[in-house]
Amino acid sequence: DIQMTQSPPSLSASVGDRVTISCRASQSISSNLNWYQQKLGKAPKLLIYGASRFQSGGPSRFSGSGSGTDFTLTISSLQLEDIATYYCQHSYDAPYSFGQGTKLEIK
Amino acid sequence: EVQLVESGGGLVQPGGSLRLSCEASGFTFSNYEMNWVRQAPGRGLEWISYISKSSSPLFYADSVKGRFTISRDNAKNSLYLHMNSLRAEDTAVYYCASMRRDGYNPLLSYFAYWGQGTLVTVSS
Repeated sequence: DIQMTQSPPSLSASVGDRVTISCRASQSISSNLNWYQQKLGKAPKLLIYGASRFQSGGPSRFSGSGSGTDFTLTISSLQLEDIATYYCQHSYDAPYSFGQGTKLEIK
Repeated sequence: EVQLVESGGGLVQPGGSLRLSCEASGFTFSNYEMNWVRQAPGRGLEWISYISKSSSPLFYADSVKGRFTISRDNAKNSLYLHMNSLRAEDTAVYYCASMRRDGYNPLLSYFAYWGQGTLVTVSS
């Protein structure tokens, strides 16, 4: 089974900062990597799929990169509404495991 | 508008059973693979089960294999999760999620839509 490791577990940044979250797979998953945003008390929401493909309707300040085992989610300019926990997930094959999550807070 | 609405959660004793339902609307349910994902209180997301459009193949996480059964009724636009031999560690919010594939590269899949979740509490 493929294991997903996210870092950091939590992150505090200021409005307007550039923020990056990392995700590493235990084996190569090509570009089969998705990013989700989960706000408190809500269901997760897809942000990025296929490592870098932007989900329509989402804010353009979110972007993804990487392939193989190492991936990054970047928020170009942090906004208050980005307070949430972010999860990576691989969709290479079942089980489709998630990373442990990165909780993003505003300084 | 795409909607997924889970139901069937509640309080159940250890060793008990429960059946969760997920009713889909706003899209052609039979054209989509489906999944169940759960989240224990204060914890992260855990994928637990997958079902193809035709109900075969099925996949399960090791944590629920042999105890949980996923199924679907395309005529009723509904997904189900039959849970047996429930344990305290199964306490969680359970989400259903539809899986979509990229139109240009169908090897790329993702959980496009999620329900609001239903809470299952296993306690005596």
